[in-house]
Amino acid sequence: DQQVKQNSPSLSVQEGRISILNCDYTNSMFDYFLWYKKYPAEGPTFLISISSIKDKNEDGRFTVFLNKSAKHLSLHIVPSQPGDSAVYFCAASAKGGGNKLTFGTGTQLKVEL
Amino acid sequence: GAGVSQSPSNKVTEKGKDVELRCDPISGHTALYWYRQSLGQGLEFLIYFQGNSAPDKSGLPSDRFSAERTGGSVSTLTIQRTQQEDSAVYLCASSFRQGGNTIYFGEGSWLTVV
Repeated sequence: DQQVKQNSPSLSVQEGRISILNCDYTNSMFDYFLWYKKYPAEGPTFLISISSIKDKNEDGRFTVFLNKSAKHLSLHIVPSQPGDSAVYFCAASAKGGGNKLTFGTGTQLKVEL
Repeated sequence: GAGVSQSPSNKVTEKGKDVELRCDPISGHTALYWYRQSLGQGLEFLIYFQGNSAPDKSGLPSDRFSAERTGGSVSTLTIQRTQQEDSAVYLCASSFRQGGNTIYFGEGSWLTVV
């Protein structure tokens, strides 16, 4: 039972354009959502997060949008840069679960010159 | 060190042997997590330690897997009688206590069972 789903295994975007990565979840108890970026042979690194009391959080080129009614969140990267090429994981945690995160399967982003 | 430290970074072992993977969390972090990522898969939760509370072992795939956390700091993940399907990268992470905080990952221990 995949509670966090990233239905696009890969995404290719031109440098300078917007990258939009999508994530859906099924567990209504999730109240905190995060995006991690992972380069090959490295551990995931935290990118940006959002609490369920908000619908948008912005940090530089990265913006996360949360639509609770649709149980959907997205990560926007604009403008996209070649260094953004990595696997992006969506993750969620539930109230009372500490910081135990449930991860999606990831989306491989490739930013082309 | 400043980050989560894991060892060994790579381990090749024969099927049936036991392996131990070590994690040293970020200083001051009271919560410690083990995840694994098999080839082509997402990150799978294994076990979670929070302070002196009983660990959440709900993600351990079988009784061949166990983990300890001594003194509230260093953790060891032990896999007994390894199988080929145990081949994965085992990722340790740590965080401050309260929910809603970011967890920080180490670089992982790459396990190959041959």
